[in-house]
Amino acid sequence: AQKITQTQPGMFVQEKEAVTLDCTYDTSDPSYGLFWYKQPSSGEMIFLIYQGSYDQQNATEGRYSLNFQKARKSANLVISASQLGDSAMYFCAMREGIQGAQKLVFGQGTRLTINP
Amino acid sequence: DTAVSQTPKYLVTQMGNDKSIKCEQNLGHDTMYWYKQDSKKFLKIMFSYNNKELIINETVPNRFSPKSPDKAHLNLHINSLELGDSAVYFCASSLWTQNSPLHFGNGTRLTVT
Repeated sequence: AQKITQTQPGMFVQEKEAVTLDCTYDTSDPSYGLFWYKQPSSGEMIFLIYQGSYDQQNATEGRYSLNFQKARKSANLVISASQLGDSAMYFCAMREGIQGAQKLVFGQGTRLTINP
Repeated sequence: DTAVSQTPKYLVTQMGNDKSIKCEQNLGHDTMYWYKQDSKKFLKIMFSYNNKELIINETVPNRFSPKSPDKAHLNLHINSLELGDSAVYFCASSLWTQNSPLHFGNGTRLTVT
C-alpha cells in the first residue's frame, strides 16, 4: 500500500495566489514525522517544513504552512502569496518511528507552475 | 559552506563498467543515506548508515556497495553497470532523531549507455 499519496501530478496557479498541495499518508505507528521538500528544475532537494505527529499546532515557516489533519491522515502544504520562483516539484515524505532504523518515504510529487 | 557535497555531478559510462560516487557532509550529522530518483522523479531509499554502521539496505542489487569510512562520508560503488541503473543518485544526511530533516546533496546524474 502507498504510504504517501500526492494526488495532484500538476498544478497551475497565478502569481500571488495561495496554493494548497495535497498529501495523504498511511501509517499505524502513533509516532511519525511529515516533511515537505521542493525540487526546482536545477535538481536539488530543499527542505521546507516539518510536522511531528504529536505536535499540537500546525507548522509554519515563512510563506509555508502545513495543514495537518491527523484524523484524516492528511498533511497539505499551503504556500501563501505564490511567486514565480515557487515553480518546482514538491514532495511530501513521512518518517515512521521515534528513532532507530527509520527511513523517509516519499510521495510521487506534484509539479507546481506559477503563471505571471 | 556547511553542506552535503557529492561528486561527480554527472557520470556517463558504458554498460558493464564499475563506477563510484562520493559523498561528504560537514553538518555534524551521524546518519547518511543514498536515495535513487528514477525518470519519473520517484525517490526511493537505497541505504542508510548511522555512525558508519549499515542500518537500512532496501533490497538493492548487490552490485551496489556503499562504504562509510567515517560518519562524515558515505560512498557508493556500483559494479557491472546496467542500463536500468541510469538515474539521479542523491546522498543525504541527518541526525538520528525523528524530527531531523534530511539534507540532500545536489545529486549525481548517472547515464549508462
